[in-house]
Amino acid sequence: DSGVTQTPKHLITATGQRVTLRCSPRSGDLSVYWYQQSLDQGLQFLIQYYNGEERAKGNILERFSAQQFPDLHSELNLSSLELGDSALYFCASSAGIGTDTQYFGPGTRLTVL
Amino acid sequence: GQQVMQIPQYQHVQEGEDFTTYCNSSTTLSNIQWYKQRPGGHPVFLIQLVKSGEVKKQKRLTFQFGEAKKNSSLHITATQTTDVGTYFCAGDTGRRALTFGSGTRLQVQP
Repeated sequence: DSGVTQTPKHLITATGQRVTLRCSPRSGDLSVYWYQQSLDQGLQFLIQYYNGEERAKGNILERFSAQQFPDLHSELNLSSLELGDSALYFCASSAGIGTDTQYFGPGTRLTVL
Repeated sequence: GQQVMQIPQYQHVQEGEDFTTYCNSSTTLSNIQWYKQRPGGHPVFLIQLVKSGEVKKQKRLTFQFGEAKKNSSLHITATQTTDVGTYFCAGDTGRRALTFGSGTRLQVQP
């Protein structure tokens, strides 16, 4: 158990809908990262937050947005969903602001029908 | 753009055989990390290398960081079925976030 929690574990929705994925980092970690992993693919970095502020941005679509709240939990919002958005979404956390060791949550599997 | 490439993409070995995956970056890395993802699981941190030419061992796993800090390798001696999974390298290319390689999926035939 990495100490990072993600909810929900599974999400099934329809095209055009909007969903919110939630992540709680390890106790004491200030950075949160979001990744997308499509079937048998690598990890695509989406975005990083550090202590409530956006720190780094990867290949995140404009339809996607995220935020980190004062209690350090984070939410990833996916809107106008398309079939191709079906994937595993991982959240990871780390202690610091740089490229520290990342601890991954169990992921949310999103299926768009 | 700055990329971290990994080869091979996939390898199938007989139990007891050795396995190596290679990671190459187009830019110098300040450090490199290795993660393992079991089937159906999430990536788990294995190790971090920081120094040029550094070699670290964890039981049957040997990790190396190249002299130029642009490449790295993970070698597993005498694979076991518990080694099955995808191995990712992740490098700090100076972009404020780790860049993950595409991963090498290892299958071990008992």
